[in-house]
Amino acid sequence: TQLLEQSPQFLSIQEGENLTVYCNSSSVFSSLQWYRQEPGEGPVLLVTVVTGGEVKKLKRLTFQFGDARKDSSLHITAAQPGDTGLYLCAGAKTNAGKSTFGDGTTLTVKP
Amino acid sequence: GAVVSQHPSRVICKSGTSVKIECRSLDFQATTMFWYRQFPKQSLMLMATSNEGSKATYEQGVEKDKFLINHASLTLSTLTVTSAHPEDSSFYICSARPSSGRAYNEQFFGPGTRLTVL
Repeated sequence: TQLLEQSPQFLSIQEGENLTVYCNSSSVFSSLQWYRQEPGEGPVLLVTVVTGGEVKKLKRLTFQFGDARKDSSLHITAAQPGDTGLYLCAGAKTNAGKSTFGDGTTLTVKP
Repeated sequence: GAVVSQHPSRVICKSGTSVKIECRSLDFQATTMFWYRQFPKQSLMLMATSNEGSKATYEQGVEKDKFLINHASLTLSTLTVTSAHPEDSSFYICSARPSSGRAYNEQFFGPGTRLTVL
């Protein structure tokens, strides 16, 4: 049973378009991270959200943590080819526990 | 800050040999490190949690005698794939969680090691 479900699994859009990636679970998390991974490299941490309803912005990326801390979303405005990559969400039930990763969303932004 | 290195980045070996992969936190101490395996176009699969000074905790289905983990210091964990076979070919990634200074479960990943077993 997959604890964290990401959708969509694949997304191909044109440069300049907006998109949203979702990360859903039936479990409550103490914190949730979003990572971006390029082929042949390790994931890079984008953001950590910890408070229900929290919204964080990183340039054109907006991250939101659900009020119940069970889900999260990543919204990208005016996507660019450099945004292409695998986006992973990861949730932890405790601050000292291991993280569970979602299946990932492969984003391709065409110029 | 929060840089993690892995060595080697790529390794090709013959079936039956053992391969050691090193994971180092360069500018922070990490009591806990994690080892993941990743297949093409898939997410990360946690193999084991490496704890400094104690035995690693393996995920269900991961053979501890096959994948030996040693976390001898606060900045180094090693994964040894023993008697490697072609089915062990994969992308292995480590991550490290800072021992202090971070309130939440943030992990910093190494660049990964591509293992090919012939």
